Amino acid sequence: EAAVTQSPRNKVTVTGGNVTLSCRQTNSHNYMYWYRQDTGHGLRLIHYSYGAGNLQIGDVPDGYKATRTTQEDFFLLLELASPSQTSLYFCASSDARGPYEQYFGPGTRLTVL
Amino acid sequence: GDSVTQTEGLVTLTKGLPVMLNCTYQTTYSPFLFWYVQHLNEAPKLLLKSSTDNKRTEHQGFYATLHKSSSSFHLQKSSVQLSDSALYFCALSASNMGYKLTFGTGTSLLVDP
Repeated sequence: EAAVTQSPRNKVTVTGGNVTLSCRQTNSHNYMYWYRQDTGHGLRLIHYSYGAGNLQIGDVPDGYKATRTTQEDFFLLLELASPSQTSLYFCASSDARGPYEQYFGPGTRLTVL
Repeated sequence: GDSVTQTEGLVTLTKGLPVMLNCTYQTTYSPFLFWYVQHLNEAPKLLLKSSTDNKRTEHQGFYATLHKSSSSFHLQKSSVQLSDSALYFCALSASNMGYKLTFGTGTSLLVDP
């Protein structure tokens, strides 16, 4: 099964702070994704990438930047964190070959005070 | 646009009873449907997937049939167990969406002893 790891697992910051969430996958998947999970909203796609240096905008991108430095590593950046970004964040990866089932990391719980 | 609807936010059942979790979708393209399960404090994991019309797919006692005529992919189990208590997401991948998945808002299944 695909292995996706995330760090940190928990993070607390203050309003206006800078936060970087890290994700690594070791299965040579081309695609990587960042989601946020909130009660009543399910999983919402923030950004995704199909390879190193590539970035695609998801459905809820405002307030987030992302960078894919290698095939394995995908980062989510919150440069001016706000309380509305308090959430559970998941990273996922998928192969370029269909049907594009996604494998998820363990999640990062972010609290913005 | 493409969408997934899960009508039940919470389903509570007694152990041993059957369950059906509803999932309907909307797309004008060829669909691929998934069910993901997320246990407490864990990552979502793939449970079932299908793109074949009117064919039942099964895994770990759960089953679902994609019905393109009614745009449905309901998840069923004949006898729920305590360990089935979790959050269940239905997700859609359609040929116009590339590698993205659209998730429903999720249904929490709580199984009582």
